[in-house]
Amino acid sequence: DTGVSQDPRHKITKRGQNVTFRCDPISEHNRLYWYRQTLGQGPEFLTYFQNEAQLEKSRLLSDRFSAERPKGSFSTLEIQRTEQGDSAMYLCASSSRGGDTGELFFGEGSRLTVL
Amino acid sequence: DAKTTQPPSMDCAEGRAANLPCNHSTISGNEYVYWYRQIHSQGPQYIIHGLKNNETNEMASLIITEDRKSSTLILPHATLRDTAVYYCIVRTTGGGNKLTFGTGTQLKVEL
Repeated sequence: DTGVSQDPRHKITKRGQNVTFRCDPISEHNRLYWYRQTLGQGPEFLTYFQNEAQLEKSRLLSDRFSAERPKGSFSTLEIQRTEQGDSAMYLCASSSRGGDTGELFFGEGSRLTVL
Repeated sequence: DAKTTQPPSMDCAEGRAANLPCNHSTISGNEYVYWYRQIHSQGPQYIIHGLKNNETNEMASLIITEDRKSSTLILPHATLRDTAVYYCIVRTTGGGNKLTFGTGTQLKVEL
């Protein structure tokens, strides 16, 4: 069990560029979550998948954001036309479907800096 | 999900017990209390959760009041590695196990 992996760990980009983050969940986990965290704040929920189906999206997920999980395994989060306000840590988490008391396992995050 | 209230920061001497309080006065009967922590520059880490009864695991103990309106996370012998932000979260059943984080308590363990 290698845990939840995220790539890249750090990304610096210029405003207006597109960026993509990848998340590889724990292999037997069928639920995958994306969160965003800015300095001094707790993580904010963005979206989650059960297998390949995207079941919930936060209002924080603007039209410039898109997340996919095409085969129910890894997931990508793309941000188009980045803005300075997108600078944040993007966290991925996964969980099993183990009833209502399942815990979430988080990766170490992908830190985005938009110049 | 019910809102929680935590002190923004706490200090604790190494080797002493750290008692982190959380108020969740609007908790409903089907909501669990979860605790996570986040060490600097890492993702959050699950600690413990409970519904009504007190719980204990290798990391911590969770004490939930009888009316369930508040809880306390206890780290029995805090070490420097326990310095982190601790989040108390209440969550309904279902809903994809989604967690709603607040701003948590910054615990600083000192020598």
